[in-house]
Amino acid sequence: AQKVTQAQTEISVVEKEDVTLDCVYETRDTTYYLFWYKQPPSGELVFLIRRNSFDEQNEISGRYSWNFQKSTSSFNFTITASQVVDSAVYFCALSEPTSNTGKLIFGQGTTLQVKP
Amino acid sequence: EPEVTQTPSHQVTQMGQEVILRCVPISNHLYFYWYRQILGQKVEFLVSFYNNEISEKSEIFDDQFSVERPDGSNFTLKIRSTKLEDSAMYFCASKGRATDTQYFGPGTRLTVL
Repeated sequence: AQKVTQAQTEISVVEKEDVTLDCVYETRDTTYYLFWYKQPPSGELVFLIRRNSFDEQNEISGRYSWNFQKSTSSFNFTITASQVVDSAVYFCALSEPTSNTGKLIFGQGTTLQVKP
Repeated sequence: EPEVTQTPSHQVTQMGQEVILRCVPISNHLYFYWYRQILGQKVEFLVSFYNNEISEKSEIFDDQFSVERPDGSNFTLKIRSTKLEDSAMYFCASKGRATDTQYFGPGTRLTVL
């Protein structure tokens, strides 16, 4: 069965600290996609990144970086030099495009609070 | 940049009333979705829609729910007889191809009194 686990419910850091959000997934498919979405206090879901199961190369985008490791079924997200504007709920999600629909399975989310 | 839009942003209704939540997916997208997020909880899949029919639905999507694409642009979610536990944020999403990323609308907050 598909499952996404974000064990960290809440994380609080002080501005400029680095923070890593953990994501562990379960799937029987060999082809799948992993995503991170950000949900700021305003409530919308903002797409951050998508990785496919065949590409384990880590990715960096500005202060954001992602570490995908198939061996541990993890897709962790690191924010470097965090800022107050990074305060939000972050969701990791899994999709199996070979399935009927490619629906997203979300983790429980990690609430990140960045204090000034 | 194209975006998914949803109306209304907030809907308040009495228990037992019917509500229709509206979404306009990104033009030329083919796959449409509704998700639900109860306050403080994770985002849950409700239903997917492709080629003018439901392709998958979750256990949550019971007979009280229905979806429709009445024209070439709108995608609606109807709840026939709302219950208190239907109070949640409802997100619409769409994508172009099977392997594409889903893009979400801003959500409709439904409050059932």
